[in-house]
Amino acid sequence: RKEVEQDPGPFNVPEGATVAFNCTYSNSASQSFFWYRQDCRKEPKLLMSVYSSGNEDGRFTAQLNRASQYISLLIRDSKLSDSATYLCVVIPTDSWGKFQFGAGTQVVVTP
Amino acid sequence: NAGVTQTPKFHILKTGQSMTLQCAQDMNHGYMSWYRQDPGMGLRLIYYSAAAGTTDKEVPNGYNVSRLNTEDFPLRLVSAAPSQTSVYLCASGGQRKFSSYNSPLHFGNGTRLTVT
Repeated sequence: RKEVEQDPGPFNVPEGATVAFNCTYSNSASQSFFWYRQDCRKEPKLLMSVYSSGNEDGRFTAQLNRASQYISLLIRDSKLSDSATYLCVVIPTDSWGKFQFGAGTQVVVTP
Repeated sequence: NAGVTQTPKFHILKTGQSMTLQCAQDMNHGYMSWYRQDPGMGLRLIYYSAAAGTTDKEVPNGYNVSRLNTEDFPLRLVSAAPSQTSVYLCASGGQRKFSSYNSPLHFGNGTRLTVT
C-alpha cells in the first residue's frame, strides 16, 4: 500500500463549478500536510498548508481528518486556470526529512 | 532572490556515463532534497540534507550527493542507467526545529534527463 494515495482523476469540471478530492495517508504519526499545484512540465508550487481546524485561501478550502487519515481540497467557482495536477504532501513525525508525496489528482476545468 | 536554481534543464546521457546535476538556493534554507518524478509515480525522494555537512540517503544505489555549504546540493549520477531516465527536482525548505519539520518545500524547475 502506498503511504500517500490520491485519485489520479481526471476530474472534469465545468467552469464555475465546485470540485473536491481527497488524499489518504497511512502513517498516523504524520504531522504536517500541504497541497501543491503542478502545471504540465513545471515544478510543483505550494498552494496551501493544511491546518487541523481546516483553512481557506480564497476559493480553496483544505480540511484535515486525522481520525480517518485523509486531507481534502475543495475548489469553488472553478477557473480555467485551475486546470492542473494537485499533489498532497505529508510530513511524518517519525521520519524526519522524508516528505511523502501523492501521485497527484488531475483537474481539468472546461469552458 | 532567485529561489532554487537547477542546471541543466535538459540532458541526454549514454549508459555508463556520469554527470552532476546542479542545485543552488539563495534562501538560506537548511533542508535540501532531491526527488525524481516519473509519470503516475509521484515524487520519489533520492537524497536529503538537513544542513550543510550532512546528507541522508533514501535510494540505495546509483546516486551521490554532497553538501559542502548551505547553498549548493549537487546530485551525481555515478554510472547512468536507462532506469534513471526521469525528471529530477531539487527542493529546499526551512530550518529544522528540534525533532519536527513543518516548513513547505520550494522547488527548482527541474532537470529532464534521458539515459540512452
